[in-house]
Amino acid sequence: NAGVTQTPKFRVLKTGQSMTLLCAQDMNHEYMYWYRQDPGMGLRLIHYSVGEGTTAKGEVPDGYNVSRLKKQNFLLGLESAAPSQTSVYFCASSFSGGKYEQYFGPGTRLTVT
Amino acid sequence: GDSVTQMEGPVTLSEEACLTINCTYTATGYPSLFWYVQYPGEGLQLLLKATKADDKGSNKGFEATYRKETTSFHLEKGSVQVSDSAVYFCALRMWGNSGGSNYKLTFGKGTLLTVNP
Repeated sequence: NAGVTQTPKFRVLKTGQSMTLLCAQDMNHEYMYWYRQDPGMGLRLIHYSVGEGTTAKGEVPDGYNVSRLKKQNFLLGLESAAPSQTSVYFCASSFSGGKYEQYFGPGTRLTVT
Repeated sequence: GDSVTQMEGPVTLSEEACLTINCTYTATGYPSLFWYVQYPGEGLQLLLKATKADDKGSNKGFEATYRKETTSFHLEKGSVQVSDSAVYFCALRMWGNSGGSNYKLTFGKGTLLTVNP
């Protein structure tokens, strides 16, 4: 049982390049999330999904797109990277909402130059 | 909207000292409350949680009590160890489908704890 895994662990992009971050979970969770973590800002929700084939915007969705074609995978795309997207990205998953905790992946450190 | 305010760090303690990290929240309803811990270079791990008023969450010597009257969920440990050095996040999540907001985990900004030998 690997839990939540993220690929890649590190990436450096030039401004304007695109990339996709992959999140996978093997806990059969319905909900999945993408967060970014910046110094002094805590974690901010980018996009989330409440089930296969569904996605929705979080607090800071601009510049990102997501897809959830399979229940176990949640992809985060950057179409045209900007230096403001330099951050650590965390994926998480959970059983529905309310009392259920979220399980986090190890993170992807992205630098945009 | 919902929000979490936690004590800003950094907090530096000697081994075996007592720890309290304050956390208060604002929510339109009855949230579940969580403490997450992030060790250097890692993702967040759930440390403990409480889902209703007066519940006490505990794990690894840490405790926190859900106080509805003071809207607080302070993290405490009687004797910290060097291995407790990490960033601690307080978070809340709403019950039910109140506008679909039950998906969202609202985090505080985190408190860096350093424990020296």
